[in-house]
Amino acid sequence: DTAVSQTPKYLVTQMGNDKSIKCEQNLGHDTMYWYKQDSKKFLKIMFSYNNKELIINETVPNRFSPKSPDKAHLNLHINSLELGDSAVYFCASSQGLQGGYGYTFGSGTRLTVV
Amino acid sequence: QKEVEQDPGPLSVPEGAIVSLNCTYSNSAFQYFMWYRQYSRKGPELLMYTYSSGNKEDGRFTAQVDKSSKYISLFIRDSQPSDSATYLCAMSVGSNYKLTFGKGTLLTVNP
Repeated sequence: DTAVSQTPKYLVTQMGNDKSIKCEQNLGHDTMYWYKQDSKKFLKIMFSYNNKELIINETVPNRFSPKSPDKAHLNLHINSLELGDSAVYFCASSQGLQGGYGYTFGSGTRLTVV
Repeated sequence: QKEVEQDPGPLSVPEGAIVSLNCTYSNSAFQYFMWYRQYSRKGPELLMYTYSSGNKEDGRFTAQVDKSSKYISLFIRDSQPSDSATYLCAMSVGSNYKLTFGKGTLLTVNP
């Protein structure tokens, strides 16, 4: 029973397309995140939602739009995909307001833009 | 200067060796310190977390935090081939939700 599940696992698409990645957690956590991991394995936060409210919005192009319909789901929609968007996108969740408890990560969505 | 610096390696050791992985940081506001392990094509999994300076032990793993030097370490005793993975340090201020990660160290333990 997967704690944080992302779909799809792999996504290959052409430049200029619009795509969505979905994330669901069954841990009862109240905070969810999107992280981007580039080709050099560097993990960087993009967004965070706490109880459906956006609380972190790093310097991310506005082509990226997160949506949290409820606290168990956080989706990421990307418009007008560019080559530089190719990366692995990780969804994560945590309980509580403090990052010190650590996150539970999903297994990632590997996005390739061609 | 990056907030969190971590030697990317790669690090290759024989089975049974003691492994030392390290990170330095520049933001003195960091309060929580974590180590994640990431196997190839998987998501990171939380290995250890600590709040204060000092040592924390869990089985073969020991996490060490030295806030005065802004330096954290992860020691792996009796390393096993199954420990082969990328190890990422992460830290947070605590009053927000954001984790700042190091770039990760790729470790290979050879049988």
